[in-house]
Amino acid sequence: AQKITQTQPGMFVQEKEAVTLDCTYDTSDPSYGLFWYKQPSSGEMIFLIYQGSYDQQNATEGRYSLNFQKARKSANLVISASQLGDSAMYFCAMRDVIQGAQKLVFGQGTRLTINP
Amino acid sequence: EAGVTQSPTHLIKTRGQQATLRCSPISGHTSVYWYQQALGLGLQFLLWYDEGEERNRGNFPPRFSGRQFPNYSSELNVNALELEDSALYLCASRIMDLGGSGANVLTFGAGSRLTVL
Repeated sequence: AQKITQTQPGMFVQEKEAVTLDCTYDTSDPSYGLFWYKQPSSGEMIFLIYQGSYDQQNATEGRYSLNFQKARKSANLVISASQLGDSAMYFCAMRDVIQGAQKLVFGQGTRLTINP
Repeated sequence: EAGVTQSPTHLIKTRGQQATLRCSPISGHTSVYWYQQALGLGLQFLLWYDEGEERNRGNFPPRFSGRQFPNYSSELNVNALELEDSALYLCASRIMDLGGSGANVLTFGAGSRLTVL
């Protein structure tokens, strides 16, 4: 079964610095997709970025980029020029297609705090 | 376009009671997912509905159930509430991509926070 591991329970970063949030995954499926979501204190999960296992280049979306290292089974999120509004929980997730289920399996999350 | 909407925002119940949570997906989305997020924990998959049928369920007891209506909205019912059912319940929707390609991004609502006393 798919498994996502986020080893950083919390991170503290100074405003305007870049930050890397770690994510490793485990799957036996050669075709898979990886997602990052942001959850502010309001509770809503906000989609940030997606990486497909066959994508040739690392995904980027504005200040977000994904450092995808397939051999190491890691998909780290990089946030450039961090802002106070980036303070939130961040979840890495993988699409689970076992038994026809098209659901996401989530890691435990990393709480990011941006200090002014 | 309106996003995924959930109601109620907050719900307080006592042990043994029943709770009903509601979700309206984005217009055009046929697939609805329910997740439980207990305090300080990640999201645990509960149920997946598509075209009115339950397609898959997570490792939760049968007292967690639900349904999807013809307009694709969904209800989550939790019977015989226990203290550990206190959590944020998140609903998400997406267009069912039968081709299996693409991101298949789930769009989430703001959640319903259930407190069991």
